[in-house]
Amino acid sequence: DTVLTQSPISLAVTPGEPASISCRSTQSLVSNGYKYLDWYLQKPGQSPQILIYLGSNRASGVPDRFSGSGSGTDFTLRISRVEAEDAGIYYCMHARPNPTFGQGTRVEIK
Amino acid sequence: EVQVVESGGGLVKPGGSLRLSCTASGFIGFSFVNAWMYWARQAPGEGLEWVGLITSKNEGETTDYAAPVKGRFTISRDDSRNTIYLQMDSLRSEDTAVYYCSTGYDPWPHWGQGTVVTVS
Repeated sequence: DTVLTQSPISLAVTPGEPASISCRSTQSLVSNGYKYLDWYLQKPGQSPQILIYLGSNRASGVPDRFSGSGSGTDFTLRISRVEAEDAGIYYCMHARPNPTFGQGTRVEIK
Repeated sequence: EVQVVESGGGLVKPGGSLRLSCTASGFIGFSFVNAWMYWARQAPGEGLEWVGLITSKNEGETTDYAAPVKGRFTISRDDSRNTIYLQMDSLRSEDTAVYYCSTGYDPWPHWGQGTVVTVS
C-alpha cells in the first residue's frame, strides 16, 4: 500500500512569511499521465477544503498565494505569504488507484 | 456548483449496523454516472482516513476498501438518485467518526459536511 509522509508535522509561521509542506510517497503518484496528489486545508469543526488538485491545479476561489508542485513521489505545497486565515491542518491525499492521506501538518500563525 | 450531502449518521451499539447515504448534484464537466465516489472518516482528534471507493458503472462499479473496514462495510450506488451508500455492519467503537463523502475530479474533488457516527 502507498504511504504518504508529510513534513514538517507542525509549523509556526509569521504573517507575510512563506511556508512549505512536503508530501513524500512510497510509490509513484503518477498514473495515466495524471499526478494524483491533492492538498486540503481543514479548519476546526469544518470539512476539508480542496486547495490544489492533480499536483498543481488551484481549485476555484483558492488564493494564488497557494501553489503545488512535484512529480513522481515528491510533492510540495507552498504558501507565498501566509495570512492569519491559513491556520489549520493541511493534508495531502492520493486519490487513485489506492487512496490514502498524509498524516497532516498543523500550521499555526505566530 | 457541485454539492455533496451526507446523511444517516447516528448512535448505534457495538455489533450493530447503519447505512449512510451521500447525494451529489450540480456536476459541471460530466454526470454522476461517470464519477468515482469516495468515503473517508475522521475519528475524534485524529487525522483523515480513507474508507472506500466505488468506480463508475462503465468501469464496473468496482469497490475497494481500507483494511480496517474490509468485510464489514459495503459501498453501492444508485445513479438514478445521484446517490451512493455506505452499509456498515458489525460496527465497533473504533468506527466512531465523522464520515465524509467526496466526488472524483469535476474538475476537482468536492466534499460534503459529514455525518457523525457514534458506536457506543
